[in-house]
Amino acid sequence: EVQLVQSGGGLVKPGGSLRLSCAASGFTFSSYSLHWVRQAPGKGLEWVSSISYNSGHIYYADSVQGRLTISRDNAKNSLFLQMNSLRAEDTAVYYCARQPPWGSASPYFFDNWGQGALVTVSS
Amino acid sequence: QSALTQPRSVSGSPGQSVTISCTGTSSDIGGYNYVSWYQQHPGKAPKLIIYDVTQRPSGVPDRFSGSKSGNTASLTISGLQAEDEADYSCSSFAGTFGLVFGGGTKVTVL
Repeated sequence: EVQLVQSGGGLVKPGGSLRLSCAASGFTFSSYSLHWVRQAPGKGLEWVSSISYNSGHIYYADSVQGRLTISRDNAKNSLFLQMNSLRAEDTAVYYCARQPPWGSASPYFFDNWGQGALVTVSS
Repeated sequence: QSALTQPRSVSGSPGQSVTISCTGTSSDIGGYNYVSWYQQHPGKAPKLIIYDVTQRPSGVPDRFSGSKSGNTASLTISGLQAEDEADYSCSSFAGTFGLVFGGGTKVTVL
């Protein structure tokens, strides 16, 4: 069974830092691109960042560029999101999500999600 | 401001059908057959129910169906059941902009 188990959310002051983790199991972690998607309270989903299977391709939404850093450790089947210079508008539930590879279907969707981690930025 | 436009809410009685629209542009929905839909119960993670406009993952009931016409995609839930009460979000590939989402639609079973 595919599982993505998240940890690391919490309350942080504006300008502070936080690191989210996503531990994977049940699939060949090193073969999949992974993403972070967030959802502010009462709002829709927003794509945040992505990392390819070998960390060779990394992308960020304009709203987080330069403040959030995505990384992965294929030896430990883990995905990370280092969040620095946090702002009130970064308050959201953050989800890690798996992107399928090209196959019989396109790769343009997320087929498995973590349970989410709440990040609250407030003084 | 979400990239794709969905109604805030729709409702229906058990057994009825409801349809949720998702409107984008020729740069996302209209330009690619890569629309997906996610179901999200309160406090839970999104769950994929439709991908590539019309395809259902294994285990998703066939009362969920997807379609697309021009810049608008639609999700239809036939034979509405109590457990279908949830938020539903659409997503589309948008070329260099990656994946974009709608604002979500709350489905209420009356």
